Amino acid sequence: EVQLVESGGGLVKPGGSLRLSCAASGFTLSYSMNWVRQAPGKGLEWVSSISSSSDHIYYGDSVKGRFIISRDNAENSLYLQMNSLRAEDTAVYYCARSPPQDAFDIWGQGTMVTVSS
Amino acid sequence: EIVLTQSPGTLSLSPGERATLSCRASQSVSSRYLAWYQQKPGQAPRLLIYGASSRATGIPDRFSGSGSGTDFTLTISRLEPEDFAVYYCQQYDKIPKTFGQGTKLEIK
Repeated sequence: EVQLVESGGGLVKPGGSLRLSCAASGFTLSYSMNWVRQAPGKGLEWVSSISSSSDHIYYGDSVKGRFIISRDNAENSLYLQMNSLRAEDTAVYYCARSPPQDAFDIWGQGTMVTVSS
Repeated sequence: EIVLTQSPGTLSLSPGERATLSCRASQSVSSRYLAWYQQKPGQAPRLLIYGASSRATGIPDRFSGSGSGTDFTLTISRLEPEDFAVYYCQQYDKIPKTFGQGTKLEIK
């Protein structure tokens, strides 16, 4: 079964850091991968994308300079290092797969990040 | 940044009726790079339509997408009870890969 499973969410204080992981199974991680977040009761917000070989990396303006996306294809895993966290980063974070130049066809179940003192 | 505006914000219909959801872009989007997603409460989004009009794997043919340039439409021909959810459009033509704010399809 093709599946993505996120982990690493939790409660963190403002200014703190957290590292999210996304484990892929049922397929090799030879796709572009993405992080998308959804604040409580709100819509979807694209956060970051990374190409299959990590040579193209992009961030949304709201996280640029604070978050770092990375991947380990040998481990079939995607990561999001989140630094200098703010209350407005509170959201469910989803990882999603995208074939080259294509839509997000497989999504994980999400992991909740809460930034609060 | 390409801003996607979805309308209406909420659509109240009955099972069996036809639903028409709109997504308007602030600048032209290649139809190759416009998608629609369905999200139910407590669940991850699910890809319905990619490339503006191609159905994703396993999506029933009552779902169809159309449009080009700045105006795109998702049509559900005959609503089933399981279709009541929130729908999002997304452009993946340009960075940032923006989403619309969503249309909530509710049972009338």
